[in-house]
Amino acid sequence: NAGVMQNPRHLVRRRGQEARLRCSPMKGHSHVYWYRQLPEEGLKFMVYLQKENIIDESGMPKERFSAEFPKEGPSILRIQQVVRGDSAAYFCASSPLRGGNQPQHFGDGTRLSIL
Amino acid sequence: GNSVTQMEGPVTLSEEAFLTINCTYTATGYPSLFWYVQYPGEGLQLLLKATKADDKGSNKGFEATYRKETTSFHLEKGSVQVSDSAVYFCALDFGNEKLTFGTGTRLTIIP
Repeated sequence: NAGVMQNPRHLVRRRGQEARLRCSPMKGHSHVYWYRQLPEEGLKFMVYLQKENIIDESGMPKERFSAEFPKEGPSILRIQQVVRGDSAAYFCASSPLRGGNQPQHFGDGTRLSIL
Repeated sequence: GNSVTQMEGPVTLSEEAFLTINCTYTATGYPSLFWYVQYPGEGLQLLLKATKADDKGSNKGFEATYRKETTSFHLEKGSVQVSDSAVYFCALDFGNEKLTFGTGTRLTIIP
């Protein structure tokens, strides 16, 4: 049973470039969540998606950030024109159903460094 | 709004010591409560959970009891091992798909 797969594990970008982070949920999971972890801090919710739908993006910065979860393929978190403050670990989680009785399973994260 | 307050770290204990990491929450209603553990360079792993008042979650020797009257979910273990060294996160969820995390407590166990 493969868990939540994120790639790349590490990503280095220069200021102004684009960063694309990919997440493949666990088999049978149709709900994907993205969180950001700044150094020495807890995780902060960014966005929740189901296939082809954004359900809640209340934690997503209004500019430069976007997310998608297409019918086929992984979920993508896209950061345009990256800045130093985007340096963080980005974690994806998935669950099979809605609700608090279905704990989210996390990937190992993508550590984004901006030069 | 909903929030989780965790015991400030870092916490350093000797092997076989008793562990308590405090967690309290503020929420309107009755959330599900979780403890996640993060080992160096890895993602979060669910350690245990409780979904209603007085439930006790347990796993790998760790326990936490959902206390509605004190809005707490303290993590305990009777005898810690070096392999328990990690960062521990308390979190809550109202079933609205948005986990709210505490800031994490870094635990180091020395032999």
